[in-house]
Order: sequence, then C-alpha cells, then structure tokens
Amino acid sequence: DTGVSQDPRHKITKRGQNVTFRCDPISEHNRLYWYRQTLGQGPEFLTYFQNEAQLEKSRLLSDRFSAERPKGSFSTLEIQRTEQGDSAMYLCASSSPGQGSGYTFGSGTRLTVV
Amino acid sequence: SQQGEEDPQALSIQEGENATMNCSYKTSINNLQWYRQNSGRGLVHLILIRSNEREKHSGRLRVTLDTSKKSSSLLITASRAADTASYFCATVSDNQGGKLIFGQGTELSVKP
Repeated sequence: DTGVSQDPRHKITKRGQNVTFRCDPISEHNRLYWYRQTLGQGPEFLTYFQNEAQLEKSRLLSDRFSAERPKGSFSTLEIQRTEQGDSAMYLCASSSPGQGSGYTFGSGTRLTVV
Repeated sequence: SQQGEEDPQALSIQEGENATMNCSYKTSINNLQWYRQNSGRGLVHLILIRSNEREKHSGRLRVTLDTSKKSSSLLITASRAADTASYFCATVSDNQGGKLIFGQGTELSVKP
C-alpha cells in the first residue's frame, strides 16, 4: 500500500459544471476525511466517514457538495454547479482511531473554476 | 473553523540555525499534532503529543505542550534548506468530534 491516492491531481472546469474527485485511502484505515485548503490558509474540515457512514459534515459543505464512501473503501467528493469560490486544493486523509499516529494525507486535487 | 493561531506567519533563517514555531489553541484537547506541507503538496505528519505529555522529540524536532497556556511550540534544530515548507499545528478534541482542526500555519524558509 503506497498511501492515500487522489485523482485527478488537477482539474480545470468552467463555472456551472459538475466535478467529481476520488480518494483511495490506506486499506487498513477505517476513517476518511475531506479538507479544503485555499492559498496561504490551513486546511478546513469538510466531512469525514467511519467505514461507509458519513459521521459529520461541516457548515462549509453547501448543498452543492456531496461525498460518498459506498463500500467503506474509496470515497468521492462531488461539487455541482461549480462557482469560482470553489477553487481550492481538496485534500483527502485517512486514519485508524486509537493508533495516535496522525493522519495520512493524499497529494490533493487542485480545482480551478474559470 | 480554525482552532487557533500560529506565530510567526513567516520565518526566514540561514541553514544551520534553529527554527521555532508557536501554536495557540482555544479548547481543551486530546492531542496536538504538527504537519509539514511542501508547496502545492499534501501534508506530512511529523509528530503527535498527547495532552498529558509536556515534551516530545523526534530526530531534529522537539515539541512542547503547555495545556495551562493552551500553546505548543515546534523546534527544528540545525535546519537544512530541505526543511523549507509550511508547518501546521492541528488539534484533536472530543468536543470537536475527534477530527483534526488546523491552524493557519507558519511558512519557513531556510536559506543555504
């Protein structure tokens, strides 16, 4: 297992289009997190899953955002009707509870909405 | 929402010098973690310190935690040009659902 994978690395889309990102976590990790990061800021929490259950969603996650983790393995984050303000780096991370070893992050998907 | 603040926002030093970054937070925590991020990349976990610990070492890294002041510091000794990156502290609290909440980060530049 080589870590957390995110696809695509970069996405340029026109305003109003829908986009979907994928995250493949470390296979032994049952928790998966999505964060959003804009330039010069720290990552902001969006949502997280324990296995297939979505346990928490941030108020940042408007109705245009939806995340799934159908079989408790990979996850997708979809943004509908993209806006320029959605331009950011979307980071995925995974962890196992109780290990105290921190999160493992993917390299992120950089979204640019033009 | 961000948990706290980091200080300084930017730090520039010469190779071989020590770098100290500070982090303050607002609520009681279970643990505090430090991460490094190279430009345009994901975050890499550096070290975790639990709320009942006061100091922890890992290689050239030394982390302290003062829960009475709700603050932590990260010291990088004998810095190298490869240490150039952004450094973030992040906290885990039961009252925040056990997820990581990040600070704004310190941008460290180590000049050769």
